[in-house]
Amino acid sequence: SQQGEEDPQALSIQEGENATMNCSYKTSINNLQWYRQNSGRGLVHLILIRSNEREKHSGRLRVTLDTSKKSSSLLITASRAADTASYFCATALNSGGYQKVTFGIGTKLQVIP
Amino acid sequence: DAGVTQSPTHLIKTRGQHVTLRCSPISGHKSVSWYQQVLGQGPQFIFQYYEKEERGRGNFPDRFSARQFPNYSSELNVNALLLGDSALYLCASSSTRVLSGGYGYTFGSGTRLTVV
Repeated sequence: SQQGEEDPQALSIQEGENATMNCSYKTSINNLQWYRQNSGRGLVHLILIRSNEREKHSGRLRVTLDTSKKSSSLLITASRAADTASYFCATALNSGGYQKVTFGIGTKLQVIP
Repeated sequence: DAGVTQSPTHLIKTRGQHVTLRCSPISGHKSVSWYQQVLGQGPQFIFQYYEKEERGRGNFPDRFSARQFPNYSSELNVNALLLGDSALYLCASSSTRVLSGGYGYTFGSGTRLTVV
């Protein structure tokens, strides 16, 4: 079952614009991660934010987490054509001796040159 | 340093057959997780192995099994293949059993399985 739901499911923007993707989830979490996937290849980890953190930055990426609303957002500033990919949020919950990492359905981002 | 390697990259099997997929984690990583990704969906958790023991199992039938070897490489086996098993199978490795400290999974490029 999918834990996170990304919104929107598809997004098309011009190069140089900012892209914002949202993720909502249902249960408590230990951390939330964002991944990028190019054309059905392996996923690439972008950023991890712990449940006690509210905001995190990495280069052109900014992630926020609101545990009271069970939601997170990923902002990509000054987008480039190379940012075209699918973006997934993944929630991690420690349970029964392991950490269950559950992915959402993803947002497909197209950056038009 | 090699990343996570998966083999084969593509595979075509017939319904009812058996398949074995292989994964070598990053050197030093003791945790391997397997995910199934159907076209247009997010990855679905199948198994996690840490230190050669199964630590977690997703909601998949018993036709799916896996193991981890002393060198931390792993195999995913699927018996009695169904058309619905057609998917991209992803292997993810991490150095710890629990992701923390800012580090997520490192994924392989996947094995594309087509069942006909």
